Amino acid sequence: DIVMTQGALPNPVPSGESVSITCRSSKSLLYSDGKTYLNWYLQRPGQSPQLLIYWMSTRASGVSDRFSGSGSGTDFTLKISGVEAEDVGVYYCQQGLEFPFTFGSGTKLEIK
Amino acid sequence: EVQLVESGGGLVQPGSPLKLSCAASGFTFSSNWLNWIRQAPGKGLEWVASINPDGSSTYYPDTVKGRFVVSKDNAKNTGYLQMNNLRSEDTAMYYCARKGVLFDYWGQGVMVTVSS
Repeated sequence: DIVMTQGALPNPVPSGESVSITCRSSKSLLYSDGKTYLNWYLQRPGQSPQLLIYWMSTRASGVSDRFSGSGSGTDFTLKISGVEAEDVGVYYCQQGLEFPFTFGSGTKLEIK
Repeated sequence: EVQLVESGGGLVQPGSPLKLSCAASGFTFSSNWLNWIRQAPGKGLEWVASINPDGSSTYYPDTVKGRFVVSKDNAKNTGYLQMNNLRSEDTAMYYCARKGVLFDYWGQGVMVTVSS
């Protein structure tokens, strides 16, 4: 199984500051079609997860351009430019390259 | 508007079966994969099942393989997760989600508690 490892944030983060959340996979997620099968989700308190970024760097519909994804085949970053109160929650990375699909353990964002 | 609504959760004893439903609307259900993801209380997300658009192929992690069965009725726009021989470690919020390889729409979730 592909293991997804996420980093932590130095919570709480001051409002307006930019943060980067890291995720590493135990196997390259770059497929022969040129896409990297890494997705990012945000789960706000008491809510269902929502898709933020797919194929490593493509924003999902309706997602603020303050969110951006980047990375290589195994190391990935979700950047939030200027955190706001509504960004509070847990961020998860997920690999969609192969079954079983696996998630990272989550990165909690708190705002000061 | 895309909507996914789960139902069928509840409190069951270890070893019991339970069947969850996921009612879909706002998109062409027959053209989409359906997935189930669960979240134990206070824990992270765990993928538990996927089924392809026409229902001919299903996929599971080892933790539920042989006990859970995912299905979909494209005529009723509804997906199902049949859970057999439930264990205490299956206690979780269960979400259905659309699409394959990525989960672009999620339901609100349904709670399953396995306890004697």
